[in-house]
Amino acid sequence: NAGVTQTPKFRILKIGQSMTLQCTQDMNHNYMYWYRQDPGMGLKLIYYSVGAGITDKGEVPNGYNVSRSTTEDFPLRLELAAPSQTSVYFCASSFGGVTIETQYFGPGTRLLVL
Amino acid sequence: DAKTTQPPSMDCAEGRAANLPCNHSTISGNEYVYWYRQIHSQGPQYIIHGLKNNETNEMASLIITEDRKSSTLILPHATLRDTAVYYCIVRVALSSNYKLTFGKGTLLTVNP
Repeated sequence: NAGVTQTPKFRILKIGQSMTLQCTQDMNHNYMYWYRQDPGMGLKLIYYSVGAGITDKGEVPNGYNVSRSTTEDFPLRLELAAPSQTSVYFCASSFGGVTIETQYFGPGTRLLVL
Repeated sequence: DAKTTQPPSMDCAEGRAANLPCNHSTISGNEYVYWYRQIHSQGPQYIIHGLKNNETNEMASLIITEDRKSSTLILPHATLRDTAVYYCIVRVALSSNYKLTFGKGTLLTVNP
């Protein structure tokens, strides 16, 4: 199993540009998550999904959109990139709906908005 | 989810045990203690979890006090590769609030 994979690893965007961060998991997990981590800080939840076709907002959803058309994929869309979106983005997945919830994280995408 | 308090940093000599404390004095009876770590520039990694009994796995041991207001993560023989930020997280096991609340954690530096 590759686990959770993310692409790209690093990207520079100009203000106002758009991009999609890709996330794929091969563990047949129902739940998937997007977090962002600013320098020296903990992770903050952007969006999550409890299954294909179902998504919901986390703590910091403004400026982002998600979709979940398959169990495996959970792309994160940035529209009109702003410097405040400079961060490291982590995708995670978990079985969900079970007593103990362990989330598995991808390696992250570093985004710099200039 | 209950709030946790961890020291910002700790040092440990290679080969010695690393004991990382966490205070969670407002923990509820149905909340678990989870530990994750984040090695520099990587995604967080699950280590261990527990409710009220001590737990051990291949990575670490978790000691939870009888009143459950604090816990200690023990890495029995720390190596240089264990240098990371360690996060103590308390949350209800099955909840509609799915997020893991990561604080600033403890930066453990293992020295040769």
